[in-house]
Amino acid sequence: EAEVAQSPRYKITEKSQAVAFWCDPISGHATLYWYRQILGQGPELLVQFQDESVVDDSQLPKDRFSAERLKGVDSTLKIQPAELGDSAMYLCASSLGRELDYEQYFGPGTRLTVT
Amino acid sequence: AQSVTQLDSQVPVFEEAPVELRCNYSSSVSVYLFWYVQYPNQGLQLLLKYLSGSTLVESINGFEAEFNKSQTSFHLRKPSVHISDTAEYFCAVSIGFQKLVFGTGTRLLVSP
Repeated sequence: EAEVAQSPRYKITEKSQAVAFWCDPISGHATLYWYRQILGQGPELLVQFQDESVVDDSQLPKDRFSAERLKGVDSTLKIQPAELGDSAMYLCASSLGRELDYEQYFGPGTRLTVT
Repeated sequence: AQSVTQLDSQVPVFEEAPVELRCNYSSSVSVYLFWYVQYPNQGLQLLLKYLSGSTLVESINGFEAEFNKSQTSFHLRKPSVHISDTAEYFCAVSIGFQKLVFGTGTRLLVSP
């Protein structure tokens, strides 16, 4: 069964350092999402890609966060510099992005701890 | 803008008892509704979804949810829970294949 892959699964970093997360969506999925889930809360969208284009990054803290999906396949989310408040689970999801199939498939997530 | 309210942060229940996890949403347009389940240190798995048609939707593991437009609710129910159902459950809404807006989650704790 096809799955969304994410790496690393766990990351510990010191504040002010740079950190990057990688996501490989299910093959053929045009839409890719990055969510942030703070402990005890539901996930919140950071950025949404349609192929290689950003369609929603309204909640992405652009002073320190960046995301790219250069070839419209895998994606990287970067934080520089990391802050203590960035400690969270970062979830990647993908979907076909066509009408009548709105299901988003989630990866296992990357748990970030900033010390 | 859409929003989702899950009033119960935690629901303790005994094994084989029935359970209902409540979800209410707010939106000025038609939405699609979802329930996701999250086990510790894992990503989210889709449990069931309502897109259109029958207002009662079922999952393969015995959960069901009913879309109630007049009450703007999408409560999740199971007539008899198992220990293995212990997890965090998230209700979510979306417009088309736009972003999912999640509730804060309900932790279901099933004890023997």
